[in-house]
Amino acid sequence: EIVLTQSPATLSLSPGERATLSCRASQSVSSYLAWYQQKPGQAPRLLISDASNRATGIPPRFSGSGSGTDFTLTISSLEPEDFAVYYCQQRSSWPRTFGQGTKLEIK
Amino acid sequence: VQLLESGGGLVQPGGSLRLSCAASGFTFSNYALSWVRQAPGKGLEWVSTITYTGNTYYADSVEGRFTISRDNSKNTVYVQMSSLRAEDTAVYYCAKGGGSSVFDSWGQGTLVTVSS
Repeated sequence: EIVLTQSPATLSLSPGERATLSCRASQSVSSYLAWYQQKPGQAPRLLISDASNRATGIPPRFSGSGSGTDFTLTISSLEPEDFAVYYCQQRSSWPRTFGQGTKLEIK
Repeated sequence: VQLLESGGGLVQPGGSLRLSCAASGFTFSNYALSWVRQAPGKGLEWVSTITYTGNTYYADSVEGRFTISRDNSKNTVYVQMSSLRAEDTAVYYCAKGGGSSVFDSWGQGTLVTVSS
């Protein structure tokens, strides 16, 4: 099973700041990594597929990068609605796995 | 795309429950469908996927207890859950994709509580 480790667990920033979230895989997932955003009481929403492809309707302030085992989700300038929990997920092999999440909170 | 889960509720340990997910807004038979769960206050856990060809995959934690199926004539995917345990308590989300693609659309989830 591929283990995804996200860091940090919690990130405290202010609106307008830049956020950098990390996801590290226990073995290579090539570029088969996705990022999801989840707000309290809501279902997750796809942000990024295949490491760097923004999903339909996702603002350009969200960007993804990386390949192999190290991936980054960057939010260039935080908006109030961006404070949420973010998960990475791999589709390189079975079982599909998620990271434990990074909570992005308002400082 | 719309995914609407139903069938959640309170069930005793050792009991069974069947969840349904009615889909619309896309050509159902062309896509894999999946179940992902989230225990209270915890992260996301992939549970099962059925591909458009009918191949099925399960997490080790549910293998042998859960069965995923689909009815393309009804645009509905199911998960039959048996021998339920307290640790199966979670919100269960239906998601489009999960085979060779990401989970690109999600339902709002249905809560399953396993308790005596």
